[in-house]
Amino acid sequence: EDQVTQSPEALRLQEGESSSLNCSYTVSGLRGLFWYRQDPGKGPEFLFTLYSAGEEKEKERLKATLTKKESFLHITAPKPEDSATYLCAVQARGGSEKLVFGKGTKLTVNP
Amino acid sequence: DAGITQSPRHKVTETGTPVTLRCHQTENHRYMYWYRQDPGHGLRLIHYSYGVKDTDKGEVSDGYSVSRSKTEDFLLTLESATSSQTSVYFCAIRGTGSPYEQYFGPGTRLTVT
Repeated sequence: EDQVTQSPEALRLQEGESSSLNCSYTVSGLRGLFWYRQDPGKGPEFLFTLYSAGEEKEKERLKATLTKKESFLHITAPKPEDSATYLCAVQARGGSEKLVFGKGTKLTVNP
Repeated sequence: DAGITQSPRHKVTETGTPVTLRCHQTENHRYMYWYRQDPGHGLRLIHYSYGVKDTDKGEVSDGYSVSRSKTEDFLLTLESATSSQTSVYFCAIRGTGSPYEQYFGPGTRLTVT
């Protein structure tokens, strides 16, 4: 069964304090790994797609990386507006439409 | 903004009543999805559609049905709502990346009393 585990569940940082979020996955052949950001009361907002080990994607203060077993979302010099829940999801090969989501990491960045 | 709207945005209903949630998209996307989000669980796929009148089940489809009579609208129906269906429901559409990403609507918060 495909599974996604995100850690930590919650993370508090001071503004400017860099850190990383982890997404460990088991999947029967990875088609793609996706990172989303979700603000309270809103739908998930797409950030990145990764599909090949060694791949990296960047957007502003965020950088996502991928290995064969896990992905990291690195946050460099975060700002309070980066506070949100970050979700990781995987999709398996073989024609499945399903995205398997982790439970998310709630990030709080204090000024 | 993927041009997705959901209605209603909030609804309170009683156990045993039928409920229909609507997802509307304006960009002619072929694939549409319904997910539910609950505390302690990740987002879970309920049903999806790959074209008008073409639908399939996801991982938590029991108690739900869907219909898609035109490209822009995807309806989720709870035939007889139960308290376990209290949740936040999100509609999504398939993007154009490779592998393709999904874009989500704003959600509907449903409470079954």
